[in-house]
Amino acid sequence: QVQLQESGPGLVKPSETLSLTCTVSGGSISDYYWSWIRQSPGRGLEWIGYIYYSGSTNYNPSLKSRVTMSVDTSKNQFSLKLSSVTAADTAMYYCASFRFSEGFEYWGQGSLVTVSS
Amino acid sequence: QSALTQPRSVSGSPGQSVTISCTGTSSDVGGYNYVSWYRQHPGKAPKLIIYDVNKRPSGVPDRFSGSKSGNTASLTISGLQAEDEADYYCCSYTRASTWDWVFGGGTKLTVL
Repeated sequence: QVQLQESGPGLVKPSETLSLTCTVSGGSISDYYWSWIRQSPGRGLEWIGYIYYSGSTNYNPSLKSRVTMSVDTSKNQFSLKLSSVTAADTAMYYCASFRFSEGFEYWGQGSLVTVSS
Repeated sequence: QSALTQPRSVSGSPGQSVTISCTGTSSDVGGYNYVSWYRQHPGKAPKLIIYDVNKRPSGVPDRFSGSKSGNTASLTISGLQAEDEADYYCCSYTRASTWDWVFGGGTKLTVL
């Protein structure tokens, strides 16, 4: 059973960069694509992007200019950086596994990030 | 990239069936069979319950079923149980630019 765990600061100042890491256990990072999805308070889900173990990425066009994802296969981890954050980026950030024909199967418990000075 | 359209809320009594719709366009729901559904209880992460329009992951009861007609996908829950009270989200691949994914706005299911 694949398990995911997000980690990172819970508070980020406006204009700074949000950084989160997702650690994968119970499976190999090469077995899936890896995605970040966020959920603003009281709102729906928003797909941020995905990364493959090879390093190939694809980002939500609405966030593309501010998003960078990376992967560390030696640590079974992948990461998210979101630059120039504003209050609108305050959200629960989830990491999740997916395959194109199998949906987002495994999810982390989520990491709440608040953007505030 | 617009969210897929779902009803804000639906309700049903225990034992009844409810259907949640998810309307998109020919560029997403109507164009591909990569529609999935997720259930989210308060304070919890979403859980995959349907993928590829109508397939259930291992462990998901057959009370949950999915279908699609044109640009609208549907999730049907039969034999409603109290534990089914949750938020439900649809998701579809969309060929907006490259391989992108879009979610619906979510539907709150209340079990009366």
